[in-house]
Parts: sequence; C-alpha cells; structure tokens
Amino acid sequence: KQEVTQIPAALSVPEGENLVLNCSFTDSAIYNLQWFRQDPGKGLTSLLLIQSSQREQTSGRLNASLDKSSGRSTLYIAASQPGDSATYLCAVRPNDYKLSFGAGTTVTVRA
Amino acid sequence: DTGVSQDPRHKITKRGQNVTFRCDPISEHNRLYWYRQTLGQGPEFLTYFQNEAQLEKSRLLSDRFSAERPKGSFSTLEIQRTEQGDSAMYLCASGEYEQFFGPGTRLTVL
Repeated sequence: KQEVTQIPAALSVPEGENLVLNCSFTDSAIYNLQWFRQDPGKGLTSLLLIQSSQREQTSGRLNASLDKSSGRSTLYIAASQPGDSATYLCAVRPNDYKLSFGAGTTVTVRA
Repeated sequence: DTGVSQDPRHKITKRGQNVTFRCDPISEHNRLYWYRQTLGQGPEFLTYFQNEAQLEKSRLLSDRFSAERPKGSFSTLEIQRTEQGDSAMYLCASGEYEQFFGPGTRLTVL
C-alpha cells in the first residue's frame, strides 16, 4: 500500500520568504504526482502535475521536483505572499486511477 | 462554468437518516471519482466510474454507501442509516490524467 507523508505538518513564515514543502512516498512505481492547494472548508485546487518520467514542473512562482528513486517530491513557492496561506496536499497516483494523499502542510504567511 | 460542481455544499442530518449527494463532472471527462476527507487528513479514495461503470470500490465504502452514475454524466452518492462517523467532507473529482476536484459536500451527522 502506498503511504504518503508530508513534513512539516505546519509552517509559518514572514512574507517574502521562499517556501519548501516536502512529500515522501513509499512505493516508487507511480503513475504521476499532483500538488494541490486547499483553503479552509473548500475543495482542492490542482497546482502542478508531474508525470512519472519528469523531474520537475514549473508554474509561475511554483516549482515542483520529483525524485522517484528516493520517493520524494518537493514544492517550492518563491517570494511567499499572505495569499499563499493554505494547506498544501501532495497526492501520488500509484496506478491508473486513484490518488493517495498525504495529510498536508498548513502554511501561514505573515504580513 | 467548466469546473466540477457538487450539491449540496452543506448537509446536516440526524443519525439514522439517509442522505444523497450529487456531483456534476467536467463535461468531457469520462472518469469520475469520490473521496472522503476528515478533519486534518488528506482525502481518501472511495470509488470511481469510467462512464457509467463503477470499476473500483474502496473497503471504506460499506454496504450503507452506494454510488451511481447513470448515463455516464452526473453521479450520486447515497449514505443510508447515517452514523456520526460518517461526518466528513465528501469530494468529487473528474479527469483522465489529471484530477480536478469540486468544492465538496460537508456532511454533519448529529
């Protein structure tokens, strides 16, 4: 069974600092990996999708890396803003359909 | 609007009652998924459909739960004889390669 772990569980940084969010998974045989953002009481917004053959994916201030052999992915958010405050979830797709999620990292960006 | 929609957004019910949730996926997506999320945890997979066929069900989906997707369009998730442990956010997603999520239905069982 695929286990996904996100560390730290919570993170508080001053505005402007770069954010580094970590995700580890136990089975390297993955289909793809997605990073999501979730605001309190809301659904999930897809941020980045990394195919199993890719090493990284970028969108604006966001960059995600993938190292399948070590079972790790990292989400970098440059120059954080208060609007980046949310919970960030990593999800691994171990097969053709379902996603296995970590518990998330709750980020607070202080103005 | 081309996103995934869910209805209702919130549902409060008494223990023992039946509830039904609806999900409308992105129109061109053949695959539809249901997940459940409890406070402080990531979503957990419940079931998925390829068009109208339900292809996989998690062990989390007890016999009190039933999901349908008639004609391969919208989907419904019904919970019979609700229990307090069913209180959670029920999330629907659609997509073949990348999954796109709806806003969720928050269920509270009193």
